[in-house]
Amino acid sequence: DVKVTQSSRYLVKRTGEKVFLECVQDMDHENMFWYRQDPGLGLRLIYFSYDVKMKEKGDIPEGYSVSREKKERFSLILESASTNQTSMYLCASSFRLDTQYFGPGTRLTVL
Amino acid sequence: AQSVTQLGSHVSVSEGALVLLRCNYSSSVPPYLFWYVQYPNQGLQLLLKYTTGATLVKGINGFEAEFKKSETSFHLTKPSAHMSDAAEYFCALYNFNKFYFGSGTKLNVKP
Repeated sequence: DVKVTQSSRYLVKRTGEKVFLECVQDMDHENMFWYRQDPGLGLRLIYFSYDVKMKEKGDIPEGYSVSREKKERFSLILESASTNQTSMYLCASSFRLDTQYFGPGTRLTVL
Repeated sequence: AQSVTQLGSHVSVSEGALVLLRCNYSSSVPPYLFWYVQYPNQGLQLLLKYTTGATLVKGINGFEAEFKKSETSFHLTKPSAHMSDAAEYFCALYNFNKFYFGSGTKLNVKP
């Protein structure tokens, strides 16, 4: 079974802090994704990566950056956290682009 | 433009009753279509997917969905609801290397 893990299930940060969300997959997948999930809005794509050191902006990249130094790890960075970034963050990976496997999510609260 | 619409943000059924969750899509090319389930405080789990071929797709936990091109629909059904089916369900469309998610339907199962 594909396993996608995220570094924290719950995280509380203060406005202005730099926040790192880590995602690791164990199936040698090329593709990795970061989404945020908000009630009534479904999932919105923040960034994705097709390969090591490659990244592409998704639909809502503003206020976020990413890093992919190793194939199995994809990090989401909030350079200066703001209250409107309070959300559930979901990481996903895929071998084929058409099927994604999700991690358990990180619920981030920014105070 | 590509989009996914889920009709009904909340659906309530009695245990043993038919489950019907509606999904309509808009796509300029034949899409790949997916249903995912999300249990509380967990990530998304793939229920089933349609790519090509047979339009009736069977998934895990007794769910199935039928691709109807003429109606641009991909509704999810299960003949008999169980309490364990209570969760949020997301319909998704994939094409042009991107996923588009619906806003989700929360299924409540009454005893």
